[in-house]
Amino acid sequence: GAGVSQTPSNKVTEKGKYVELRCDPISGHTALYWYRQSLGQGPEFLIYFQGTGAADDSGLPNDRFFAVRPEGSVSTLKIQRTERGDSAVYLCASSLMGQGAGDTQYFGPGTRLTVL
Amino acid sequence: AQSVTQLGSHVSVSEGALVLLRCNYSSSVPPYLFWYVQYPNQGLQLLLKYTTGATLVKGINGFEAEFKKSETSFHLTKPSAHMSDAAEYFCAVSETRDDKIIFGKGTRLHILP
Repeated sequence: GAGVSQTPSNKVTEKGKYVELRCDPISGHTALYWYRQSLGQGPEFLIYFQGTGAADDSGLPNDRFFAVRPEGSVSTLKIQRTERGDSAVYLCASSLMGQGAGDTQYFGPGTRLTVL
Repeated sequence: AQSVTQLGSHVSVSEGALVLLRCNYSSSVPPYLFWYVQYPNQGLQLLLKYTTGATLVKGINGFEAEFKKSETSFHLTKPSAHMSDAAEYFCAVSETRDDKIIFGKGTRLHILP
């Protein structure tokens, strides 16, 4: 079956602009995660959805970052007033159940965001 | 708070030699432990994970890891390296009541012919 997909694969924007990054999880997966991977670093947790609700958003760096999952499937990560420090690869993952079950998280290929 | 330390940002081994990638973790509750691999220009792929039960975990591509609670370690091994094993490897931890994964900084494995 299809894996996690993310669009766009690459996004170049100018400082101060607004961007949206999309994630399509594996069909039937209730849990969805966003991570950010900067150059030379491991992925860093941003936010986790269980169904439509954000179960843990403790990793969002500031209020410029926001994510939604209105129908419990597709999710959009939104970044306002982008800064050069936001440049990174944004990874999305999904798992069947979440809820602390140690489920395997399946990762998408990522969106590479470059802020000029 | 959870954390992961991977010893060595780069490791080089000869083809056919033993692969050993070291990982130590800290967690206030029993952890779930993971190794992920990232091949060039590809997404993260789960190699293996420890949740409960047997402490020696076998994964894909001949890799295995052993959970040692007394040493807070989860080192990754493979008896004989193959050129196709060249990639970046990430050790990660999550807590049993939580779902966010905390990743280490990664170890890039180079295979020498």
